[in-house]
Amino acid sequence: DIQMTQSPSSLSASVGDRVTITCRASQPISRFLNWYRQKPGKAPEVLIYAASSLQSGVPSRFSGSGSGTDFTLTISSLQPEDFATYYCQQSYTTPPTFGQGTRLDIK
Amino acid sequence: QVQLVQSGAEVKKPGASVKISCMASGYTFTNYFLHWVRQAPGQGLEWMGIINPSGGSTSYAQNFQGRVTMTSDTSTSTVYMELSSLTSEDTAVYYCAREIVVVPAAMFGDYFDYWGQGALVTVSS
Repeated sequence: DIQMTQSPSSLSASVGDRVTITCRASQPISRFLNWYRQKPGKAPEVLIYAASSLQSGVPSRFSGSGSGTDFTLTISSLQPEDFATYYCQQSYTTPPTFGQGTRLDIK
Repeated sequence: QVQLVQSGAEVKKPGASVKISCMASGYTFTNYFLHWVRQAPGQGLEWMGIINPSGGSTSYAQNFQGRVTMTSDTSTSTVYMELSSLTSEDTAVYYCAREIVVVPAAMFGDYFDYWGQGALVTVSS
């Protein structure tokens, strides 16, 4: 199975800050990398698919980049609803695998 | 609008089985694969398997082989996930999720675009 490793595991930031989360795959996965946000007590929701494509309805403050093994999710200006946990997920091979998550807290 | 509505919370004893349902609406049920993903308390997301509602073919994660069964009922647009021989380590929220393939697939792949609300399964003696 492909292992996905996110960093950091947690971070604290303030409303309006720019933050970046990194995801690394244990082998190349081209651009088959998706990002999800999970608010407490809720199901995950997709933000970015195929490394950099913004899901319909997702605010433009979210962006993704990368290919091969290294990927980033950037939130340009944090909003209150962005304090949540973020997961990357590879869709290159079965089984699909997720990173361990990055918890984003209010500073 | 697309909805995946799951059955409610369950409490089971060790060794028992649990069967969770996921009813789809707002789209053509047989056109999209459905997956099951679980999340233990305070933990990350773990993929369990996939079912093709059209025909019922399945593929399961190795960790669950022999213990999980996924089925579909096209008459009610519902998929089911049954997990047997439960232990306390199976205490988790279980989600169904729809897979969407973005064309061209060789460029965009697939992702989970809609999720059920989750069903908490608690395994306790």
